Order: sequence, then C-alpha cells, then structure tokens
Amino acid sequence: DAKTTQPTSMDCAEGRAANLPCNHSTISGNEYVYWYRQIHSQGPQYIIHGLKNNETNEMASLIITEDRKSSTLILPHATLRDTAVYYCIVRVAWSGGSNYKLTFGKGTLLTVNP
Amino acid sequence: GAVVSQHPSWVICKSGTSVKIECRSLDFQATTMFWYRQFPKQSLMLMATSNEGSKATYEQGVEKDKFLINHASLTLSTLTVTSAHPEDSSFYICSARERGAMGQNTEAFFGQGTRLTVV
Repeated sequence: DAKTTQPTSMDCAEGRAANLPCNHSTISGNEYVYWYRQIHSQGPQYIIHGLKNNETNEMASLIITEDRKSSTLILPHATLRDTAVYYCIVRVAWSGGSNYKLTFGKGTLLTVNP
Repeated sequence: GAVVSQHPSWVICKSGTSVKIECRSLDFQATTMFWYRQFPKQSLMLMATSNEGSKATYEQGVEKDKFLINHASLTLSTLTVTSAHPEDSSFYICSARERGAMGQNTEAFFGQGTRLTVV
C-alpha cells in the first residue's frame, strides 16, 4: 500500500474549518484514500473514504486532487470534540482475499482551541 | 456506522496470568477481524488478521503462541494474552470489516479498545 505523509500537528480555532492535508504521491490507480481519527484513549473512528471524486458526509468532506497525489480532509466547523489524531491511509479495494489491512502512520494531531 | 464492541474496557492482571479480550460486531457480520496494539504516544500496530473459521495470520514479530486469537463466529473474535508480563501492558484494539459483495469496498470499524495493565 502507498505511504502517506501528514503534518505532525495542527491547530484550529473552534467554529472554523479545519483542513488536514495528506500527501500520497505513490498512490496507485486502484487505491482508495481513507481517513480515520482517534480521540485520546479510544478506538479509531471511520470518517470518510474516496477514490478520485470528492466526497462529503455528515462528518467531513474529502477533496482529492486530480492527479490523486494528495488530498485534504475538511471539517467545516470544528468543535472542541474534534480534537484527535487524524490518520490518512491509502489502500487497495477489497479483492475478496484476506489481505485487507489498514496500516496506520503517525497521523496529525489536530487541536481545536476555544 | 456499524458498532464493534470490546470487552473489557480495561483490565489489570498479575504477571504470569492470562487475559482474554472479546471483540464483537453487534449489527453486522464480520468475516475478517483485526487486532492492533498501541503503546503510549505511538500509532496502532497491527498484530494479526483473523478470518472466521480459519487460523489467524500474524504480523512479523508477533508471537502466535503468546497472543492466541480465536474467530469462531461471524460476530466474535477473542484475543488471549497468555502468561502476561508488564511489557505486554498496552492498549489493544480490535477492528471488524463488514462482509460485502465481491468487489465491494466496505470500511472497517473499530472497538473502543482495552487497556491492559500487567502488574
């Protein structure tokens, strides 16, 4: 699976949009971009994933560049509860085998400030 | 999203004893479950992948005789830490992937984690 690069930490003011970047320059055509987050002492929480089109759900928006070498997770109105480590992961779609694995990097610690 | 439940949330045990952690998918069938370990200030490290009805596949460096994994049904997987020692103290997290149609790219959901402290 392609490796990703994320900033170690970011700060955001409460109520403002949080834009978390991720570089995945070696991504293959059949690899998806996944975002998870982990609030302190909890298990990771799925946020969103996409292949090449921009995606939006009730939690966030995912913007993937046309060349797919980078993406941005957008939390439109950050709250204090959004303080967490955000992980960007790329991997192939499930092929029916048992090789589905999510490999976590170090992620970005997003701190939302009052 | 789908719910994955781990039990217990935390456990303290004496060195040399064994501890069992359960992972259940509450509202979906999980053909594949994953076990992770996370030390303080570090990222999640995959320990093993288990498929219902078959033996688990362990990552390099993880002792299969020490970390016993059983995935007897489509909704339950267990991790048993045998002869636990203080260095096994960690945050253990399970993940379950919903069964999907061939080619369907379903996401994985995580349990809330189990904090193991070996004294």
